[in-house]
Amino acid sequence: GAGVSQSPSNKVTEKGKDVELRCDPISGHTALYWYRQSLGQGLEFLIYFQGNSAPDKSGLPSDRFSAERTGGSVSTLTIQRTQQEDSAVYLCASSLGVSATDTQYFGPGTRLTVL
Amino acid sequence: GDSVTQMEGPVTLSEEAFLTINCTYTATGYPSLFWYVQYPGEGLQLLLKATKADDKGSNKGFEATYRKETTSFHLEKGSVQVSDSAVYFCALKDSNYQLIWGAGTKLIIKP
Repeated sequence: GAGVSQSPSNKVTEKGKDVELRCDPISGHTALYWYRQSLGQGLEFLIYFQGNSAPDKSGLPSDRFSAERTGGSVSTLTIQRTQQEDSAVYLCASSLGVSATDTQYFGPGTRLTVL
Repeated sequence: GDSVTQMEGPVTLSEEAFLTINCTYTATGYPSLFWYVQYPGEGLQLLLKATKADDKGSNKGFEATYRKETTSFHLEKGSVQVSDSAVYFCALKDSNYQLIWGAGTKLIIKP
């Protein structure tokens, strides 16, 4: 079946602009996660959704970052007033549930470059 | 808090060599353990996992055994190929929802 998809695959933007990153999880997966992968920082958890609600937003780096999920499916990560330090690969993952044994399946990522 | 420590890279081996990438963890609960692989230019893929002590995960010739007594989950392969060149990440997931990641180990296999 189809895996996790993300769009765009690459995004170049100017400092101060807003960007939206999209994630389509695997059908039937109730949990959805956003991570960030940047040079020197490794993999960093941002936020997760159970259904349409986000019980934990503590990983979001600043209030410029927000995310939503609609219909228990597609999620959008929005970064307002982008800064150069936001440059990274943004990864989305989904899983059937949130137990310790549930495997997270990752999308190919969106590479964001802020000039 | 929970953490994962894996050996620093890059690790450079010749084709058909034996591979070990060390991974140790700290967790208060009973986590599941994972190895993910990221091939050049691609996304993260699950390589193998183990959900309880003494379980062995295996896939594509790679193996890792969940050792509770040594809090380890070392990745091994008997004979590596050039196509195994990638970055390997060890991770844990406990009763919390998020994956806790190691820093990643870059593996380079020379023909």
